[in-house]
Amino acid sequence: DVVLTQTPVSLLISLGGQASISCRSSQSLVHSNGNTYLHWYLQKPGQSPQLLIYQVSNRFSGIPDRFSGSGSGTDFTLKISRVEPEDLGVYYCLQRTHNPYTFGAGTKLELK
Amino acid sequence: QVQLKESGPGLVQPSETLSLTCTVSGFSLTSNSVHWVRQPPGKGLEWMGIIRSGGSTDYNSALKSRLSISRDTSKSQVFLKMNSLQTEDTAIYYCTRSGTDWGQGTLVTVSS
Repeated sequence: DVVLTQTPVSLLISLGGQASISCRSSQSLVHSNGNTYLHWYLQKPGQSPQLLIYQVSNRFSGIPDRFSGSGSGTDFTLKISRVEPEDLGVYYCLQRTHNPYTFGAGTKLELK
Repeated sequence: QVQLKESGPGLVQPSETLSLTCTVSGFSLTSNSVHWVRQPPGKGLEWMGIIRSGGSTDYNSALKSRLSISRDTSKSQVFLKMNSLQTEDTAIYYCTRSGTDWGQGTLVTVSS
């Protein structure tokens, strides 16, 4: 199974600052159809996860442009600029290229 | 408006079988896939399995031997059945439409 390694485990960021989260895969996430099915989620305290970024770099409906995703192959990054209080929670990457699908272990974003 | 709602017993005895239902509205199960994801208390997300629009299924390798996902399209319901439950199966269980829309989750506690 594909293993996704997220770093760091936790992040302390000041309001207005920038956060960067890495997700590294144990194998290439390029599907045979040429697409890369690496997605990013945010789970706020007490809530269900919400989709932020799909297929590496596409913001989901309603997600502000402070969130951006990048990467290719096995290395991916989520960047959050101008961090706001509503951005706090745990961020997960998910790969849907290879069956079975797998999540990263999560990165907790907290305020400094 | 897309909605998903999980239902089932809150408490299950060890070694017994868990049966959960995800009742959906606002979309068709014959045009969308539904996943099950779980989250033990205080831990990360674990992808459990999927039933695709065509009815095919895939499962988490670690759960495959005791997990089954099915559906009743006429009732807009997706079912999860998992046998031989242990205390480590205590978790919030979510269903999600293709990872974009999520139910609120249902807490299942495995305890005697």
